This record gives sequence, structure tokens and C-alpha cells, in this order.
Amino acid sequence: KQEVTQIPAALSVPEGENLVLNCSFTDSAIYNLQWFRQDPGKGLTSLLLIQSSQREQTSGRLNASLDKSSGRSTLYIAASQPGDSATYLCAVPNNAGNMLTFGGGTRLMVKP
Amino acid sequence: EPEVTQTPSHQVTQMGQEVILRCVPISNHLYFYWYRQILGQKVEFLVSFYNNEISEKSEIFDDQFSVERPDGSNFTLKIRSTKLEDSAMYFCASSVRLAGAVGQETQYFGPGTRLLVL
Repeated sequence: KQEVTQIPAALSVPEGENLVLNCSFTDSAIYNLQWFRQDPGKGLTSLLLIQSSQREQTSGRLNASLDKSSGRSTLYIAASQPGDSATYLCAVPNNAGNMLTFGGGTRLMVKP
Repeated sequence: EPEVTQTPSHQVTQMGQEVILRCVPISNHLYFYWYRQILGQKVEFLVSFYNNEISEKSEIFDDQFSVERPDGSNFTLKIRSTKLEDSAMYFCASSVRLAGAVGQETQYFGPGTRLLVL
């Protein structure tokens, strides 16, 4: 059974800092890994989907990397802003691609 | 940009009552999903639906739950007899399945319905 873990559970940084969020998964036979953002009491916004054949995927100040063999992904946020404050979730699909298993999230606070 | 919508945004119900949560997936998407998130816990998969059939369901999705696509646009989750532990945020998601591209598509999530069972 796939298990997804995110470290740290919470992170507080000053504005402008670059930061890295970590995601690990136990079954490396994945098609892709998806990163989401969740604001308090809100839905999930897809940030990046990185395919198993890719090593990196970039969108603006966000860069996701994937190392399937070691079961790890990182989300790098450059020049953090207070508006980046949210919970960041990673998720991986099962073999049939019809369900996602989520990590517990990293709650990020960027202080002005 | 197309988005998944859900109604209602909040629902309060008494234990034992039936509730129906509604979702309108993105129009050209073929796969539909329900997830839930109990306060402070992980997002958990409930069920996926394709071609008018359940394609996958979790252990949570027992006989109290059912899903339906009553028309060409809506996708519903019914809980027949709610329990206190059903209190959670329920998310609907949809994705487009490209031929030969199993598991490569992004799932797009709605804003959620917060269900409170008293």
C-alpha cells in the first residue's frame, strides 16, 4: 500500500527566503507526482504535475523535482512571499491512475 | 479557465439523515472522483467513476455511500444515513483521460463541501 509522507509538517520563514518542501513515497512505481496548494478551509489548487519520466518541472517561482528510485520529490519555492502562505500537499496515483494518495501536507507561513 | 464547482459549500445535518453533495466537473473530463478530508487529517480517496461505473473505491466507501451521474453535467455523492464521523470536507475532482496516457493526467479539484453532522 502506497504511503506518502511530507516533511516538515510546518515551516515558518521570512519573506524572500528560498525554501524546499519534501515529499517521500514508499512505492516507486508511480506514473507521476502532483503538488497542490490548499488555503485554509478551501479546495486544492494543482500547482505542478511531474511525470515519472521527468526529473524537474517548473512553473514561475516553483520547481518540482522527482527521484523515483529513491521515492522522493521536492518542491522548491524561490523568493517566498506572504501570499505563498498555505498548506502544500503532494499526491501520487495508483497503478490504474484512478485514485490519488496524499501526504499530510506542509503548512507554510511566510512572514513579511 | 474551466473549473470544478460544488454545491452546497456548507451543509449541516442531523445524524441519520441523508445528504446529497453535488459537483459539476469540467465539461470535457471523463473521470470523476470524490475525496474527503477530516479536519486536521490527510485528504482521503473515496471513489472514482468512469463511463457510468465505479472504477475504484476505498474501504471508506461502504454501503452508506453511493455516486451517480444523473445527467450530462452533474456528479453526486449520496450518504444515506450520516454518522458523526462523516463530518469532513468533501472534494470532487475530475480529469481527462487521454488515450494511452493512464495516470498521466492532472486531477482538478473543486472548492469542497464542508459537511457537519450533529
